[in-house]
Amino acid sequence: DAGVIQSPRHEVTEMGQEVTLRCKPISGHDYLFWYRQTMMRGLELLIYFNNNVPIDDSGMPEDRFSAKMPNASFSTLKIQPSEPRDSAVYFCASSFLGNTQYFGPGTRLTVL
Amino acid sequence: GIQVEQSPPDLILQEGANSTLRCNFSDSVNNLQWFHQNPWGQLINLFYIPSGTKQNGRLSATTVATERYSLLYISSSQTTDSGVYFCAVVPGANSKLTFGKGITLSVRP
Repeated sequence: DAGVIQSPRHEVTEMGQEVTLRCKPISGHDYLFWYRQTMMRGLELLIYFNNNVPIDDSGMPEDRFSAKMPNASFSTLKIQPSEPRDSAVYFCASSFLGNTQYFGPGTRLTVL
Repeated sequence: GIQVEQSPPDLILQEGANSTLRCNFSDSVNNLQWFHQNPWGQLINLFYIPSGTKQNGRLSATTVATERYSLLYISSSQTTDSGVYFCAVVPGANSKLTFGKGITLSVRP
């Protein structure tokens, strides 16, 4: 299997622009997670899905962030409008039955 | 929420040395994983170990769930072992991984 796939790997945008991050989980996995990593806050869970249904979005910073999972093989994390403090590395991870989580390579987002 | 403490925060080793990394957690857990984040930022799963002992090559891990700690052992360290080692746990019945702050390991040739 190719592992968890994320795109783009790097994104540079200007404040106020919409940003969409994409994730393809490992085939057959039923859980999908979005994390954010910053120097100040470390690794933190934003939201996770089980069988395409959002289960816990308590980590989503504010209404500017939204996530969707239209099918078992695709998820998006959208930031609109983006702000400089959103600059971070965003990771997607997937697991089967909530066990071992496998992480994608991450998307490094820079908001100018 | 659950607290995850890792120690030591930083570790410098000479190539070939052994080391032990510790993870303490404040509540019972259903899932515990050790990750290595390499210098390129990739998070690599090392062990899924909510209890017991596992070994994979030069690495091994032990979790004593009743005493709420886990240990990661690195033997005969190599420069490629450098990076940040994270312990992450899932408390209770949900699937939310909570990460520790990580241990930064530098292995010098």
